[in-house]
Amino acid sequence: AQKITQTQPGMFVQEKEAVTLDCTYDTSDQSYGLFWYKQPSSGEMIFLIYQGSYDEQNATEGRYSLNFQKARKSANLVISASQLGDSAMYFCAMREGGTGGFKTIFGAGTRLFVKA
Amino acid sequence: KAGVTQTPRYLIKTRGQQVTLSCSPISGHRSVSWYQQTPGQGLQFLFEYFSETQRNKGNFPGRFSGRQFSNSRSEMNVSTLELGDSALYLCASSTGGGLPDEKLFFGSGTQLSVL
Repeated sequence: AQKITQTQPGMFVQEKEAVTLDCTYDTSDQSYGLFWYKQPSSGEMIFLIYQGSYDEQNATEGRYSLNFQKARKSANLVISASQLGDSAMYFCAMREGGTGGFKTIFGAGTRLFVKA
Repeated sequence: KAGVTQTPRYLIKTRGQQVTLSCSPISGHRSVSWYQQTPGQGLQFLFEYFSETQRNKGNFPGRFSGRQFSNSRSEMNVSTLELGDSALYLCASSTGGGLPDEKLFFGSGTQLSVL
């Protein structure tokens, strides 16, 4: 079973508009972390934002915010005022515990296209 | 502060050969994780090394192995290469605290093509 589900393979957004990238997760852990990473065409993954499972406030980092709904197990990324440079792959990730300690697993990703 | 360095950037090998990829983490980081990225499977966790010990392992065959040195640099080895091993191999370093909030810092990856 998929632990991280990103249902949008591709998304289009007009420059300067906001866009929401969906992410749902599955875990039985009480303590876990949720992340979003951006991967431009260069290939290097870039950390965007983090949300802890015990955090009551939604995380924000500049134009990025994470809409965390714990009961629904969703962690959607909201990008406000999209820019052309936001065109990239976006990965939702979860860090959860296991026999070997915590490890980070990723969803399949959403490719975002920002139109001028 | 220097970022995560992966070498080589590109590799072309033939089936049956073996390959070694290298990763130098950010100074002070003690954990190195390896991921395989393919268009069909996305990012798949291979393993994590911390203080020269494998701390976590994904579901890959034994042909995939790794090690970490005392300076935290890590190598990943794939023996008896198969066509399906063609992928972007990403290395990520982190502080190694083993907590849920530990974020990963990635290198640019090694693009491996198996012919």
